[in-house]
Amino acid sequence: DTGVSQDPRHKITKRGQNVTFRCDPISEHNRLYWYRQTLGQGPEFLTYFQNEAQLEKSRLLSDRFSAERPKGSFSTLEIQRTEQGDSAMYLCASSLEVGTGQPQHFGDGTRLSIL
Amino acid sequence: GQNIDQPTEMTATEGAIVQINCTYQTSGFNGLFWYQQHAGEAPTFLSYNVLDGLEEKGRFSSFLSRSKGYSYLLLKELQMKDSASYLCAVRDTHDMRFGAGTRLTVKP
Repeated sequence: DTGVSQDPRHKITKRGQNVTFRCDPISEHNRLYWYRQTLGQGPEFLTYFQNEAQLEKSRLLSDRFSAERPKGSFSTLEIQRTEQGDSAMYLCASSLEVGTGQPQHFGDGTRLSIL
Repeated sequence: GQNIDQPTEMTATEGAIVQINCTYQTSGFNGLFWYQQHAGEAPTFLSYNVLDGLEEKGRFSSFLSRSKGYSYLLLKELQMKDSASYLCAVRDTHDMRFGAGTRLTVKP
């Protein structure tokens, strides 16, 4: 399977703990996106990378959230001092560079539950 | 910023045709995508429009009018497996924004 993979699939943690998620994009894709999705809503943009550079971060994103893509391949999303409102599905997507009309391909997501 | 509006829910009958509308406002348009998302699964790509007009792909077609900020997804010969959420997404200069999705229920 050469699709986007995310790990873990599910994460349950107590409020105040730090969590880290990993995303492995499709290998030839240079763009990588992170989204958050809650029930009944569409994916909400968090941030994206072109290769290893983080080009945009949502203004709505708390400073508790940080993402990296150190070698331009896999990416990690860390949430520090988790809050109940952080409970959501975190989706990763990858694509070729914009301008070619290439769609984003999504992973199956990491479902985060904050107790 | 971007506002993307689509109906929350729709119901249709197996074998029928359904049209899901999407209106948007964006500061820099660089394409509109439709995705299908089954409950508990990741969104999957359906169609892409960047120029005005109709794009047809099997049972699914998508239309775009840039001047009106309007698109629709047309599903023909509905099947039970088409019950899902359909997400309209607009790409601007830098990133992509999704609507809240239209939950389609196909009934026998």
